[in-house]
Amino acid sequence: AIRMTQSPSSFSASTGDRVTITCRASQGISSYLAWYQQKPGKAPNLLIYAASTLQNGVPSRFSGSGSGTDFTLTISCLQSEDFATYYCQQYYNYPGTFGQGTKVEIK
Amino acid sequence: QVQLVESGGGVVQPGRSLRLSCAASGFTFSYYGMHWVRQAPGKGLEWVTVISYDGSNKYYVDSVRGRFTISRDNSKNTVYLQMNSLRAEDTAVYYCAKGGRLSSSHIDYWGQGTLVTVSS
Repeated sequence: AIRMTQSPSSFSASTGDRVTITCRASQGISSYLAWYQQKPGKAPNLLIYAASTLQNGVPSRFSGSGSGTDFTLTISCLQSEDFATYYCQQYYNYPGTFGQGTKVEIK
Repeated sequence: QVQLVESGGGVVQPGRSLRLSCAASGFTFSYYGMHWVRQAPGKGLEWVTVISYDGSNKYYVDSVRGRFTISRDNSKNTVYLQMNSLRAEDTAVYYCAKGGRLSSSHIDYWGQGTLVTVSS
């Protein structure tokens, strides 16, 4: 199975900060990568697919980049509603493994 | 709008069985693959299984292969997860999720989840 490793596992940030989360695949996955946001007690919500395509309705402050094995999720100007846990997932093959998650907390 | 509503969760003893259901609406169900993803308490997301739009292809994570079976009834817009020989480590919220028309498609919508607790 392809292993997905996110970094960092958690960090604190302030409203207005630019933040970047990294996801690394144990083998090449082309651009078959999605990013999800999850808030406590809620289902995940799709932010980005195909590594860099913004899902309809997702604010433009979210962006994704990368291909092959290294990917990033960037939030250009952190808002209060963005404090959550973020997951990457590869869908290059099955099992469709997730990263372990990155929790973004309020500083 | 897309809606996915899971049901069938609950408390079950180790070694017993449980069947989860997921009723879908708001899209042409028979066109899309469907997934189950789980999340143990306080842990991250774990992909469990997927079934193709017509039920002809199914894939499982190693930890459930041989114990769990995914199926679908396109006439009822419903996907199922039959879970046998349950273990304590299967305790989790189980999410039903909509995939794409191709096998290499991302998940775009999720249900709210149903909690399965395996405990004696």
